[in-house]
Amino acid sequence: LAKTTQPISMDSYEGQEVNITCSHNNIATNDYITWYQQFPSQGPRFIIQGYKTKVTNEVASLFIPADRKSSTLSLPRVSLSDTAVYYCLVGADSNYQLIWGAGTKLIIKP
Amino acid sequence: NAGVMQNPRHLVRRRGQEARLRCSPMKGHSHVYWYRQLPEEGLKFMVYLQKENIIDESGMPKERFSAEFPKEGPSILRIQQVVRGDSAAYFCASSAGEINTGELFFGEGSRLTVL
Repeated sequence: LAKTTQPISMDSYEGQEVNITCSHNNIATNDYITWYQQFPSQGPRFIIQGYKTKVTNEVASLFIPADRKSSTLSLPRVSLSDTAVYYCLVGADSNYQLIWGAGTKLIIKP
Repeated sequence: NAGVMQNPRHLVRRRGQEARLRCSPMKGHSHVYWYRQLPEEGLKFMVYLQKENIIDESGMPKERFSAEFPKEGPSILRIQQVVRGDSAAYFCASSAGEINTGELFFGEGSRLTVL
């Protein structure tokens, strides 16, 4: 199961675009990249998942370069309510056993 | 609310007592997963169950911890003779089938405090 490395914390301001990069140098051919969001005192919530290139949904975009050794979660025009911890997970089989790091604590300021 | 339901949300126990945490998966989901989270840390997998079967308990301590998912009723994570180190948030997640890719749906968690 690939390990990931993310910044421990990030600050930004309302209305800005926020990019959180995750390194996963040992990603395997079959591995997918998944991001979750967790608010204080709540369970994690799925944001987005991708394998290569770019994936976009109503919440975020996920950019994955050709070598797949990193990925970037992009949150457009953040608001105060986007303050949360964001987790990058990498894996394929036994997805429930993915290793959760400490995530990136994103703080959005007014 | 058709989401994953966990109760109690908060539980306080004294050392040596038993803690029982319950999880009702999303409607139509028959796969349940339990995780533990300490403050400022990520989730750690404990156990994966299907109805009446434990599929993978490799993350669950062999002593004092047990889990079940009966044919009827919620999944239960049971911690016997709790110690202070058991204080944590315990999250349950569910899925409709085997989860290789795709999302896990999490409950709000049960926060256990051991005095």
